[in-house]
Amino acid sequence: ETGVTQTPRHLVMGMTNKKSLKCEQHLGHNAMYWYKQSAKKPLELMFVYSLEERVENNSVPSRFSPECPNSSHLFLHLHTLQPEDSALYLCASSQDIGGANQGYTFGSGTRLTVV
Amino acid sequence: DAKTTQPPSMDCAEGRAANLPCNHSTISGNEYVYWYRQIHSQGPQYIIHGLKNNETNEMASLIITEDRKSSTLILPHATLRDTAVYYCIVSSGAGSYQLTFGKGTKLSVIP
Repeated sequence: ETGVTQTPRHLVMGMTNKKSLKCEQHLGHNAMYWYKQSAKKPLELMFVYSLEERVENNSVPSRFSPECPNSSHLFLHLHTLQPEDSALYLCASSQDIGGANQGYTFGSGTRLTVV
Repeated sequence: DAKTTQPPSMDCAEGRAANLPCNHSTISGNEYVYWYRQIHSQGPQYIIHGLKNNETNEMASLIITEDRKSSTLILPHATLRDTAVYYCIVSSGAGSYQLTFGKGTKLSVIP
């Protein structure tokens, strides 16, 4: 357990479904991130939150909608996804944005399959 | 963030030191070298980082050349659990949250 908890670990959803991924950290970190890792591709940064404010949206389609209600929780709301959105979705946190001193702490990820 | 170059794969015998190289010839003066690893189907794990001095922690040592154009991550006594993909990343840290992961080096520790 890294201190960043992601649920669910696995998710299978249809293209018309709506689901949410949850990330929780109690490390006292101020920044949280969503990454996507597709098969045999490098990690791609999706969203960045600092002190609950979104500071980066890396050209992510609107079918992905992040929410950060407080500094400990981060959600990724999913709707009308495509099969190519199947991937490992990783949440990370850092003390401050950029993780200069201690790096990023990643969760174990949610393995998403869109059918 | 500057780009890095790593060999795609390496093997290491169990119990021996694993030396993972990384080239970052375009690194800027304010950019750190970070190392992460990702064990299969898990999230990446932070290992170590440094600016220009060599660094050591309980997991590994980081050797950075004097010109800062390359570095080596050393796992002193590799175990089977060290089998993972190792990523070398350069970033200025604070204010630069684009932690760009490349393809990394797949380290296989052989019994």
